[in-house]
Amino acid sequence: DADVTQTPRNRITKTGKRIMLECSQTKGHDRMYWYRQDPGLGLRLIYYSFDVKDINKGEISDGYSVSRQAQAKFSLSLESAIPNQTALYFCATSDPSGRGAGELFFGEGSRLTVL
Amino acid sequence: AQSVTQPDIHITVSEGASLELRCNYSYGATPYLFWYVQSPGQGLQLLLKYFSGDTLVQGIKGFEAEFKRSQSSFNLRKPSVHWSDAAEYFCAVGTTSYDKVIFGPGTSLSVIP
Repeated sequence: DADVTQTPRNRITKTGKRIMLECSQTKGHDRMYWYRQDPGLGLRLIYYSFDVKDINKGEISDGYSVSRQAQAKFSLSLESAIPNQTALYFCATSDPSGRGAGELFFGEGSRLTVL
Repeated sequence: AQSVTQPDIHITVSEGASLELRCNYSYGATPYLFWYVQSPGQGLQLLLKYFSGDTLVQGIKGFEAEFKRSQSSFNLRKPSVHWSDAAEYFCAVGTTSYDKVIFGPGTSLSVIP
C-alpha cells in the first residue's frame, strides 16, 4: 500500500457543489501539505499543517478549507467549486528531522474537474 | 518570500545525449534546494537535494546538480539520457525551518530514441 493515499483519484463535479479530497498517510509524519498542479504553473501550495492544531495558509488558499482530523489525516474542501479549480491536487508529508529533512513524500494525486 | 524559475518549458534531447535543466531561485537566506521528477500519471519523486556542504550533489538515476550561490542557480545534469527519463522535472526551494517548499513551473523533457 502507498504511504500517502489520496481519495478520490478522479472526480468530476458541477459548479457550486461541495467537494472534499481526503489524504491519509502511514509515514508517521507530523507535517502535511496540499498542493495544486496546473500546466505551466508547477505546484502551488494551498494549505499546510504541522500538527492537528497548527494549520497555515499557503500561496493560494482562497476558495479552499482544510481539516486535520488526526496526525495521519488531512482533508481539503472546496465549499463551492468553480471551474478554475479544475486541477490535479497533491497531498504530501514531510519530516523536518534527520537525513530526510525537507523531503516531501507525495500521494498519487486527485484529478478534479469542475464543469 | 522564496520563488523559483525554470526558464525552459520544454526540452527535447536524443537518447544518449547529455542533459542540463536550468533552475534559478530567489530566497533571502541560505536555501534548501530540491529537484523532483514526475513521470506521467504519477506523483513526484525526489531526485536530489542540497542543504549545505559540497555544492555538487548526486542523486538517484544518475542525476547530479550544482549549487551556485553567485548565480542563484541549481541546475540539474545527466551525462547520458535514457528514454525512461522522459518526464516533468521540478526545481523547488525550501526555507531553513522546513516549513514550506515552493516549486518552479517545471520543465517537460522529451527523449528521442
